[in-house]
Amino acid sequence: SYELTQPSSVSVSPGQTARITCSGDVLAKRYARWFQQRPGQAPVLVIYKDIERPSGIPERFSGSSSGTIVTLTISGAQVEDEADYYCYSATDNNGVFGGGTKLTVL
Amino acid sequence: QVQLVQSGAEVRRPGASVKVSCQASGYSFISYYVHWVRQAPGQGLEWMGIINPDGGSTTYAQRFQDRVTVTTDTSTSTVYMELSSLTYEDTAIYYCAKDYRETPDYWGQGTLVTVSS
Repeated sequence: SYELTQPSSVSVSPGQTARITCSGDVLAKRYARWFQQRPGQAPVLVIYKDIERPSGIPERFSGSSSGTIVTLTISGAQVEDEADYYCYSATDNNGVFGGGTKLTVL
Repeated sequence: QVQLVQSGAEVRRPGASVKVSCQASGYSFISYYVHWVRQAPGQGLEWMGIINPDGGSTTYAQRFQDRVTVTTDTSTSTVYMELSSLTYEDTAIYYCAKDYRETPDYWGQGTLVTVSS
């Protein structure tokens, strides 16, 4: 098995740039995905293949990768971006999520 | 549009089993794997397993290997997740999600399973 490690919380003011990291050895070989989860809702995919953004996701969401660390960046964070964010990766059909990061925008 | 609709909330006694369904629509059911993910109250997401509807092959997370069974009914485009020997720690919301290139891209609404005596 393998692990993905995220900070438990990140806090920014509206309009600032929020960066959430995810680290794990598997990320050097496999793509990362990022999910946003608002309270009481199912997760929503915001980044896949490390840097790709699904249709309908605002351009302020972007991803980057360097070795065993991937980063979700929210440029000009909005109040509505306040949520939990999870990184995810998979190998040989075995998936794993990071522990999640609570993003506070206030 | 892609939709995954899950069955309703369940309450079970410790030691019992629960079976949650997930009916898919809006895409070719046998062409995409389906994941199961759970989330205990106030906790993070936990990947449980995945099934290929075309043939029924499965892969389970090691910690659930002995207790989880995922099956499909291609005639109704439905995936089932059965979890046995329930304990209080299995109280959680259970999600199914369609796969696209090893990514859970579309999610069901979730099913709350409560284990209570």
